[in-house]
Amino acid sequence: QQQVKQSPQSLIVQKGGISIINCAYENTAFDYFPWYQQFPGKGPALLIAIRPDVSEKKEGRFTISFNKSAKQFSLHIMDSQPGDSATYFCAAREWTDKLIFGTGTRLQVFP
Amino acid sequence: ETGVTQTPRHLVMGMTNKKSLKCEQHLGHNAMYWYKQSAKKPLELMFVYSLEERVENNSVPSRFSPECPNSSHLFLHLHTLQPEDSALYLCASSQEVNRVYEQYFGPGTRLTVT
Repeated sequence: QQQVKQSPQSLIVQKGGISIINCAYENTAFDYFPWYQQFPGKGPALLIAIRPDVSEKKEGRFTISFNKSAKQFSLHIMDSQPGDSATYFCAAREWTDKLIFGTGTRLQVFP
Repeated sequence: ETGVTQTPRHLVMGMTNKKSLKCEQHLGHNAMYWYKQSAKKPLELMFVYSLEERVENNSVPSRFSPECPNSSHLFLHLHTLQPEDSALYLCASSQEVNRVYEQYFGPGTRLTVT
């Protein structure tokens, strides 16, 4: 059973556009929701994270929106650039300090 | 060297071979992790070590054997693997186990089992 569902699997966006990646979860005990960015040949790197008592967090062009009642959270990349082309993973932390990951979204930004 | 390094970066092995993956972190962290990354699947946590003691073992087959001789080094010993074990194996570290969300990942070892 997949505890964190991520969509879409792949995304193509034109330079300057907005990229939106969505995640949904069932376990209300999750208490921290990070997003990771992975470039080819590299390991994932923490991009931005949010706690469930906050509805939105913004860092530069990256914003997490969190809807606790719907058990959904999303990553928005504003003014998407070719350098943002990577695979993005959402995750959720369990009370056991374990991270549960989504399946990843491959983002391609074309000039 | 900075961050988390992994060697080798690529490994091809037969099902009867024995090999080891090595991870080293230069961050002064106390927790280290092994993950398996397969295409279109979530990252799978395999093992967690905190101060060189194993604290998590996610029902991983015994053909994978971890070793953590000190807080900076982590090994994954492999023997009699199956083709379905082909994947990217990622090592990560964090300051403490309870700061798992602030993990730093290595670049991974791409393993192919023939």
